[in-house]
Amino acid sequence: GQQLNQSPQSMFIQEGEDVSMNCTSSSIFNTWLWYKQDPGEGPVLLIALYKAGELTSNGRLTAQFGITRKDSFLNISASIPSDVGIYFCAGHLEYGNKLVFGAGTILRVKS
Amino acid sequence: ETGVTQTPRHLVMGMTNKKSLKCEQHLGHNAMYWYKQSAKKPLELMFVYSLEERVENNSVPSRFSPECPNSSHLFLHLHTLQPEDSALYLCASSQGLAGITDTQYFGPGTRLTVL
Repeated sequence: GQQLNQSPQSMFIQEGEDVSMNCTSSSIFNTWLWYKQDPGEGPVLLIALYKAGELTSNGRLTAQFGITRKDSFLNISASIPSDVGIYFCAGHLEYGNKLVFGAGTILRVKS
Repeated sequence: ETGVTQTPRHLVMGMTNKKSLKCEQHLGHNAMYWYKQSAKKPLELMFVYSLEERVENNSVPSRFSPECPNSSHLFLHLHTLQPEDSALYLCASSQGLAGITDTQYFGPGTRLTVL
């Protein structure tokens, strides 16, 4: 269906470690977006992907639009304490262009 | 700062109260949205406005009443809410609706608690 399955639900990692999270669906998407939400704030857009296979970086963040158009991943390299927050994937469905969100990945970093 | 502001940031209200949430965008966008965010759940789209016309209403109870007086302002009027309505209410805006590049920019949200 239209649901996005985001995993993992939460991660508790050591500072300096790399992080990987992903979103999958049975539906096809026209775009994939990755947002970060700090405690007490709204989501802020990190990376937007518009073409299948696209690989885009934003500093230590790298995200890819899956070839099948049904998945995307986000990697964070060399994590730091300020990476803490909730990361959401979102995408525009192929039909209707509706934007749907994943449930989020909670990231905690141990320094 | 994303260019979208929301007030108040926190609101506690009783079930019989009437209150309003306000959103303002300073980005020159034409579309505005209300979302409900509950813990460990995906964002739930409530309402969409484009050029001040409501274009989507996702089966939201009538105790939530949106108002869009112009393309920069969006309100959510609340009355006789239930405790399960307690959540973070997020406003967002985008340049348009139809294009896949019409990225949504979010405000900081209003944390609502219904007693």
